Amino acid sequence: SQTIHQWPATLVQPVGSPLSLECTVEGTSNPNLYWYRQAAGRGLQLLFYSVGIGQISSEVPQNLSASRPQDRQFILSSKKLLLSDSGFYLCAWSSQGYGYTFGSGTRLTVV
Amino acid sequence: EDQVTQSPEALRLQEGESSSLNCSYTVSGLRGLFWYRQDPGKGPEFLFTLYSAGEEKEKERLKATLTKKESFLHITAPKPEDSATYLCAVSPGNQFYFGTGTSLTVIP
Repeated sequence: SQTIHQWPATLVQPVGSPLSLECTVEGTSNPNLYWYRQAAGRGLQLLFYSVGIGQISSEVPQNLSASRPQDRQFILSSKKLLLSDSGFYLCAWSSQGYGYTFGSGTRLTVV
Repeated sequence: EDQVTQSPEALRLQEGESSSLNCSYTVSGLRGLFWYRQDPGKGPEFLFTLYSAGEEKEKERLKATLTKKESFLHITAPKPEDSATYLCAVSPGNQFYFGTGTSLTVIP
C-alpha cells in the first residue's frame, strides 16, 4: 500500500534562518507530488508541484523553493525565513488524476 | 478562471440533526470532484471522488452528490465525532483547486 511520510511535525524557527521540510512516498512510482500551505482559518494554497524528478512548477512567487532529487522525495526549502512563512505545510501525492493523499503536515512557526 | 466556493463557512448541528454542505465550482473540463475531511492539526483525509453529474457516493453517515455546477455532502444523523472541517476540491488536470472548507461542529 502507498504511504506518505512528512517531517518534522512541528518546527519553530527564527526569522532569517533556513528551512528544509522533507516528504517521501512509498509504494508507488512516478507520483505527482505537491506542497501546500494552509494558513489559520484559510484554504489550501498550492505552492509547488512536480510531475517528475527535477521538474518543479511554482504556483506562487515567494521566499520558498522546492526540489525533487529522487522519484519519491520532495523537499521544501528556504534560505531565509520570513514571519509570513508561518503556517501548516502539507505534502501530497496523486497518480493519474486520482485524489490526493496528504501527509500529516508540518506546523511551522517563524519567530 | 477555475474556482471552488464552499458554504456555509461554519455549521453547528445538534447530534442527530441532518444537514448538507455545499460546494459550487466553475472549472474547464472537470476530471473529478473530491471531498476531504480535516481534523485540527492533521492532513486532510480522503472521503469521496465524483466524476460525473448524477453520481452519488456513500460512506457511513455521509453521502456526496454531484451536479454540473455543484456538489453536496449530506450528513445524516451526525454524531460528535463527525466534527471536522470538510474540504471540497476539483481537478481539471494535474492540479487540484480547493475550497476554504466548512467547519462542522456537532453538539452532543
